[in-house]
Amino acid sequence: DGGITQSPKYLFRKEGQNVTLSCEQNLNHDAMYWYRQDPGQGLRLIYYSQIVNDFQKGDIAEGYSVSREKKESFPLTVTSAQKNPTAFYLCASSTGTGINTEAFFGQGTRLTVV
Amino acid sequence: KNQVEQSPQSLIILEGKNCTLQCNYTVSPFSNLRWYKQDTGRGPVSLTIMTFSENTKSNGRYTATLDADTKQSSLHITASQLSDSASYICVVTPTGTASKLTFGTGTRLQVTL
Repeated sequence: DGGITQSPKYLFRKEGQNVTLSCEQNLNHDAMYWYRQDPGQGLRLIYYSQIVNDFQKGDIAEGYSVSREKKESFPLTVTSAQKNPTAFYLCASSTGTGINTEAFFGQGTRLTVV
Repeated sequence: KNQVEQSPQSLIILEGKNCTLQCNYTVSPFSNLRWYKQDTGRGPVSLTIMTFSENTKSNGRYTATLDADTKQSSLHITASQLSDSASYICVVTPTGTASKLTFGTGTRLQVTL
């Protein structure tokens, strides 16, 4: 099945620890994105990558890091510098910039700091 | 600043009834406007897509409309079902880049017996 897979579904982190969220897609999409979703707020862009080995900061990149070594993979690391990391994280991929551009989302990872 | 605002914030309706969700945006120019459905704890899934030149688009019981002059879109749900209970998100893609998709905050719909 073609799609975008995030893991794990639930993740618990102790304060001061770094954690990495996985995102893999087999849709052959060039662009991939990470969003954060908090209750009552719209999705906010953390990082995006339009091609392999290149990525750009989004609106709320502080405390996060990413890599894009392979087209299929775009892992997100939540570092200890992120002061309020508890949230629902969504990864997405898209075909490009045409009029039919559609973002396909993974099922999300819920991160909780304990 | 590009913005997408949705109303109402939440809505409760009886099963079988119709409802309409609203989306006002300031993104201009834009490539397309999509409505997504997001079940609790899941990723959003696209329901409809419209380009700036389209006025209406249907997907089963879901019908989206677009007025590019007033920068408004609506999503009409007909004969609601319990499975329609979800958040509905309006998303606008600015022309030239998919990297700045602008998301509305969503409308939380609850369909009850």
